[in-house]
Amino acid sequence: EDQVTQSPEALRLQEGESSSLNCSYTVSGLRGLFWYRQDPGKGPEFLFTLYSAGEEKEKERLKATLTKKESFLHITAPKPEDSATYLCAVQAGNNRKLIWGLGTSLGVNP
Amino acid sequence: ETGVTQTPRHLVMGMTNKKSLKCEQHLGHNAMYWYKQSAKKPLELMFVYNFKEQTENNSVPSRFSPECPNSSHLFLHLHTLQPEDSALYLCASSQDPGPQETQYFGPGTRLLVL
Repeated sequence: EDQVTQSPEALRLQEGESSSLNCSYTVSGLRGLFWYRQDPGKGPEFLFTLYSAGEEKEKERLKATLTKKESFLHITAPKPEDSATYLCAVQAGNNRKLIWGLGTSLGVNP
Repeated sequence: ETGVTQTPRHLVMGMTNKKSLKCEQHLGHNAMYWYKQSAKKPLELMFVYNFKEQTENNSVPSRFSPECPNSSHLFLHLHTLQPEDSALYLCASSQDPGPQETQYFGPGTRLLVL
């Protein structure tokens, strides 16, 4: 069964304390892995799409990487405004439907 | 307006009411989606429309009725809902097919069924 698992479920960091969020997946024929950021009461905001193992993408303090089994979202020197839930989703095979993880809730203390 | 917009942002309704959620996308996309987001659950895909044609219905109860009059507008008609239908309803759009089938989301409608 296709599955996406995100860890940790929740993470609290001090401002400037770098860390990584994990998204592990078991699917047949990965077509794309998507990272989104979601603030409370709002819709998910697109961050990155990764298509193949070894691919990396960066945006400000965020860097996403992809292997054949998992993706990491690295957050370098986070700020309080980076506090949000980070969602991972995978598209696989001929199915356009996205398989979603439960997200990691990130809090950054000033 | 830019991106994907949804109205209303908040809705409280009784179980016997009829209401509609509206979504509009300003991205020139041809595919639109309705999702349900509940606490402690992954996003649940409800309906997919591609070029105004419904291409997916994930066993959604008939008390939810979608309508897509054109590629830019999507509605979700609600009637005789249950309290367990309370959730955040999200609309999304994408360009399909395309080199990047990224879905872009609206802000959502927070629905409370009493």
